[in-house]
Amino acid sequence: DSGVTQTPKHLITATGQRVTLRCSPRSGDLSVYWYQQSLDQGLQFLIQYYNGEERAKGNILERFSAQQFPDLHSELNLSSLELGDSALYFCASSPGPTGGGYTFGSGTRLTVV
Amino acid sequence: GESVGLHLPTLSVQEGDNSIINCAYSNSASDYFIWYKQESGKGPQFIIDIRSNMDKRQGQRVTVLLNKTVKHLSLQIAATQPGDSAVYFCAEKGNSGYSTLTFGKGTMLLVSP
Repeated sequence: DSGVTQTPKHLITATGQRVTLRCSPRSGDLSVYWYQQSLDQGLQFLIQYYNGEERAKGNILERFSAQQFPDLHSELNLSSLELGDSALYFCASSPGPTGGGYTFGSGTRLTVV
Repeated sequence: GESVGLHLPTLSVQEGDNSIINCAYSNSASDYFIWYKQESGKGPQFIIDIRSNMDKRQGQRVTVLLNKTVKHLSLQIAATQPGDSAVYFCAEKGNSGYSTLTFGKGTMLLVSP
C-alpha cells in the first residue's frame, strides 16, 4: 500500500456521461498530480495541485477539470466522455510543490462504452 | 492483469542474469531523474533516483547510470528475479520550479525462472 488512495478502482460509463475520480494523498503530502495512462500514449501528466491551488497544467482537455479540497483530497472530473478517454487514471502525491519523486496510487480504470 | 502498452520494447532474461534497461531522455535542462517499476494492475513504484550532478547511484540490487552528454539513462538490475518482471519507466524533471515528471514510454522486463 503506497498510502495514496484512489476510488473507484474500476468505472464503466457511456459516451457523453460525466464521472468523478477521487484521490487521497499520502499523509503529509501537499501536492497531488493526475496522470492518464493509455496504451498508445504512456503516462501523460494532466494537472498538479499544491495545498489547494493549481500549480501546473499539462495536456489536460477542456472537458476535464480537477480540484483539491481543504482536507487535501483531490477530484478529477471528466465530462462529455468519449471512447478515447478510456484509460488508467493515476493520482500521485509528494510532500512539497516541486521536489523529489511522486508516490502513485493504484489507479482508476475508466472504460467508456 | 492490465497491459500498459502493446508495443513496448521488451527485454527477456533468465533468473539470475543481470538486466540493463535503457532510456533516452528528451530535455537537456532536466536535472532530476527517476526509475519507476509498474507491475500489472498497479501504479508506478519508485525504484531509484539520481540528480544531474551525479553519474552513478546504487541501491539494493539496482544501479542507475546517467550520461548527460548523450542524454541517456540506464537501470541495471543485478541477479534478476521473477518478481522483477514488470514495465520500467524512466522519468525526468526539468530545473524549473514548475516542472513535473515526464515519463518515457517504458520497457517490459520478462524474467524466466
